[in-house]
Parts: sequence; C-alpha cells; structure tokens
Amino acid sequence: DGGITQSPKYLFRKEGQNVTLSCEQNLNHDAMYWYRQDPGQGLRLIYYSQIVNDFQKGDIAEGYSVSREKKESFPLTVTSAQKNPTAFYLCASSIIGTFGSGANVLTFGAGSRLTVL
Amino acid sequence: AQSVAQPEDQVNVAEGNPLTVKCTYSVSGNPYLFWYVQYPNRGLQFLLKYITGDNLVKGSYGFEAEFNKSQTSFHLKKPSALVSDSALYFCAVRDDSNYQLIWGAGTKLIIKP
Repeated sequence: DGGITQSPKYLFRKEGQNVTLSCEQNLNHDAMYWYRQDPGQGLRLIYYSQIVNDFQKGDIAEGYSVSREKKESFPLTVTSAQKNPTAFYLCASSIIGTFGSGANVLTFGAGSRLTVL
Repeated sequence: AQSVAQPEDQVNVAEGNPLTVKCTYSVSGNPYLFWYVQYPNRGLQFLLKYITGDNLVKGSYGFEAEFNKSQTSFHLKKPSALVSDSALYFCAVRDDSNYQLIWGAGTKLIIKP
C-alpha cells in the first residue's frame, strides 16, 4: 500500500544533541512537508520541498534542517539550536498542481514524538 | 493577514444527534478551505475541501461542510454523529503568499453514547 512512513515513532534527546527524524513516501508525490504540532495549537510548517535538492523555510525553521536528495525521502534534523524541541512532528506529502487537481490535499505519516530529557 | 479560527476547543454531542464544528477564516482573495481529522497519536487525514462551486461540500465518512462567504465561515457538519467520530478536527485555509496551508488550533469532538 502507498503511504508515508515516519521513524522512529518515539525519540528521546539529551540537551545539546542533534536528532534526525526519517520520512519516506512511496506515493510518487513531488512535494513533501514537515510540521510541528503542540497541544492546543494548529500545525506549524517547518520546511517544505517541491523538488529534489530544493526546499523552503516555513514559519518556524530556526533550529531545524532538512535535505531532499531523493524524491521519496525528506529527513528532518532537530539541532541543538532548537531550544524547545519537545513536540509531535508530522511529515506529509502531496502532488503539485492547480488546486482543483488535489494540491493542498496532504497525506500524512503517523508522526514522531520527540521528548527532550 | 490571512488566518483561520476555530472558536471552540471542544464540542460534545450525543450519538445520533447532528454535529457542527465551526471554522471562520480571513483571506485577501478567494478562499481555498480544507478540513482534516486526527485520531489519537496519528497523522491527519483529509476530509473535504472547498475550492469553488456549490456552497455545500460533501466529504469522507458522511461529513459535509457549508461555505458561507458573507459570514466567512466553513463549518463542518454531519447529520448523525457516531462514537467513532470522536477525534481532533482541523480547519485550514490556503495562504496566498506561498500556497501553503494555515491551520486552525483544532477542535476536539467528543461523541457520547
């Protein structure tokens, strides 16, 4: 079945450590996204990518980094510069096109929960 | 600035009764509106969208949403609630500056047997 796989599901980080969250999709989608979800808040966009080797900052990119070396993969690194990284992280993908064709219809992974110890 | 608001943190409905989850928006141009649902510890799932056309949009799992331009609202509705509809519901609007989604804070829907 096509879908998005995020790993690990749960991750613990010590102060000062970088951690990388994996996101893989087999939907042949061009666009991929990383969101952060905190209780009582909507999703906030961290980074997004519409093509291999290119990505754009979202609203809260500081303290995070990404790469897009393959169409299927969009890993997120939470760096030590991110002062409050404890959150639920969601990866998503979509087609690119006019909005009548399905753009902005996102398929999400099951999420990764990061906790700072 | 473009924005979306979900005025209720939580909505409680008895099983079998109709449900409404409210959403209002503010955009500079034509609105592109979306509803997504999130079950506990899971990713979000797309329910429905309004781009243009009929003001009543039908989506997955028996949900529908009514677009009201004069009230700048896009409320989610279902005629008869099921216990399995209990989840977190998010409204979103497209940001015209970068074509990404702006998300509401979410509304927790609780359906009681």
